[in-house]
Amino acid sequence: SQTIHQWPATLVQPVGSPLSLECTVEGTSNPNLYWYRQAAGRGLQLLFYSVGIGQISSEVPQNLSASRPQDRQFILSSKKLLLSDSGFYLCAITRGTAYGYTFGSGTRLTVV
Amino acid sequence: AQSVSQHNHHVILSEAASLELGCNYSYGGTVNLFWYVQYPGQHLQLLLKYFSGDPLVKGIKGFEAEFIKSKFSFNLRKPSVQWSDTAEYFCAVRRGLTGGGNKLTFGTGTQLKVEL
Repeated sequence: SQTIHQWPATLVQPVGSPLSLECTVEGTSNPNLYWYRQAAGRGLQLLFYSVGIGQISSEVPQNLSASRPQDRQFILSSKKLLLSDSGFYLCAITRGTAYGYTFGSGTRLTVV
Repeated sequence: AQSVSQHNHHVILSEAASLELGCNYSYGGTVNLFWYVQYPGQHLQLLLKYFSGDPLVKGIKGFEAEFIKSKFSFNLRKPSVQWSDTAEYFCAVRRGLTGGGNKLTFGTGTQLKVEL
């Protein structure tokens, strides 16, 4: 079965510092990969998705970027964090239209 | 743009009460529908999903949901809630199209608190 590894679990970063969150997948190949952000009262907002290596689609304009350097690796980055980047970031995968989704354990980011 | 609405943001029930959480979506084409639950401090977990067939879907832990196409709804129900059902519940919709990244759009969530 597929497994998602997401780290770190919590992170406190100062405003203006860089960010790199990593998500790696085991047990499947060529998955669709997603980064979501969860904020209180706003549900889960899709930030980026990728259907293949090097293919990134952005859903909302923001201070963040994503990359997929390998089939089962998805990275969320920022050059300079803003206070508004605080939130709970979730990585998710699906194998395709006929399948459901699996979510990682998430990273709680606090920008101070 | 496709949207998913969960009108009840906070629900408080006593144990053994019946539960119904509303979910409506705006997309008119073929959809796949999901309910996820997030217990305090835990991952998102799939409760149930609808892809096709019988519109009444049975999920884990006694939950069920009914897809009513004419109402663009996928309400979650449980006849008798337990204290352990205290959690946040998310409805999610995926357009049933090839391509487009298989994106899953979530509602804003409903926080359920079950009191003893």
